[in-house]
Amino acid sequence: DIVMTQTPLSSPVTLGQPASISCRSSQSLVNSDGNTYLSWLQQRPGQPPRLLIYKISNRFSGVPDRFSGSGAGTDFTLKISRVEADDVGVYYCMQGTQFPLTFGGGTKVEIK
Amino acid sequence: EVQLLESGGGLVQPGGSLRLSCAASGFTFSSYAMGWVRQAPGKGLEWVSVFIGGGGSTYYTDSVRGRFTISRDNSKNMLYLQMNSLRAEDTAVYYCAKYNRHFDDWGQGTLVTVSS
Repeated sequence: DIVMTQTPLSSPVTLGQPASISCRSSQSLVNSDGNTYLSWLQQRPGQPPRLLIYKISNRFSGVPDRFSGSGAGTDFTLKISRVEADDVGVYYCMQGTQFPLTFGGGTKVEIK
Repeated sequence: EVQLLESGGGLVQPGGSLRLSCAASGFTFSSYAMGWVRQAPGKGLEWVSVFIGGGGSTYYTDSVRGRFTISRDNSKNMLYLQMNSLRAEDTAVYYCAKYNRHFDDWGQGTLVTVSS
């Protein structure tokens, strides 16, 4: 199974400042079709998860351009350029390259 | 607008069974793979199962294989999860989600509690 490791566990951020979350996979997420199926989800308190980014860097419909994804192979990053109060929650990375599908343990973003 | 509405959760004794349902609307259901993801209280996300539409291929996480069965009725735009031999560790909110190598649309979830 591919293990997804996120850091940090918690990220206190000042409003308007950037935030960055790292996700590392235990093996390459490059699929045989050439795509890398790494996605990022946001879960606000009391809400279901919401897709932010898919295939490393593609923003899903309606996602603000403050959110961006980057990386390759086994190392990936989610960046929020300027954190807003609405961004508070837990962020998860997920790999869809092979079964079983696996999620990172989550990173809690909170306001300082 | 995509809508996914789960139902069927509740309190069940260990060893019991439940069937979860997910009603889909706002997209061509038969054209998409669908899946279930669960979240134990205060914990992270755990993938449970996926039904790949065209060929009818199904996939399960190891801990539920042989106990859970995913199915769908394209004529009714419904996704199901039959859960048998339930254990305390199956207690979680179960989310139905549209799958495309990522989960792009999610329902609100239904809570399953396995306890005596």
